[in-house]
Amino acid sequence: DTAVSQTPKYLVTQMGNDKSIKCEQNLGHDTMYWYKQDSKKFLKIMFSYNNKELIINETVPNRFSPKSPDKAHLNLHINSLELGDSAVYFCASSLIGGGPGEQYFGPGTRLTVT
Amino acid sequence: AQTVTQSQPEMSVQEAETVTLSCTYDTSESDYYLFWYKQPPSRQMILVIRQEAYKQQNATENRFSVNFQKAAKSFSLKISDSQLGDAAMYFCAYRSAASNAGKSTFGDGTTLTVKP
Repeated sequence: DTAVSQTPKYLVTQMGNDKSIKCEQNLGHDTMYWYKQDSKKFLKIMFSYNNKELIINETVPNRFSPKSPDKAHLNLHINSLELGDSAVYFCASSLIGGGPGEQYFGPGTRLTVT
Repeated sequence: AQTVTQSQPEMSVQEAETVTLSCTYDTSESDYYLFWYKQPPSRQMILVIRQEAYKQQNATENRFSVNFQKAAKSFSLKISDSQLGDAAMYFCAYRSAASNAGKSTFGDGTTLTVKP
């Protein structure tokens, strides 16, 4: 069974469209994240949710809106897509509280905006 | 704010040889965790090794070991007997033990090439 899954793995869309990426974890973790990895492979955190509550909201355009319906799911909705949004988006999860809290990553979603 | 620096954008090693990847970090905290993650061409990020700052003993996982120097704020990764499958991008990461958000700060990565 996949620990952290994301759908879709590839997403090609035109500028101005709205798209969503879904993420699910079956590890029983309490914290989930969205990262953006740009063309230079730099990994930047976007959002973090702990028990469905938004904890981290880095400087991200408000066109990006995360939603956590429950602890096992964290979705990312992007409005009015721009060329600069093209990147690989990773979902991750971890168990926080008394331990190292290493992160388990999904396979990534390669978003291409044309 | 914590920062993580990987000063080697690219490294290469001959198969079966040993290579060390560097990582330094800046923090005023005393309790934290350090990680090395591997991202092969498949792009799946995988945890390689972790180190608790309160532990003096360096972590080891099979061919992977770290040299953790807390006073110097250095956390290097040594890969012994390098294999072709070790070719990947390696990220060093820091997480504060005080953070209930679980936020990890990542370095910019080191691309490792393994030559046959």
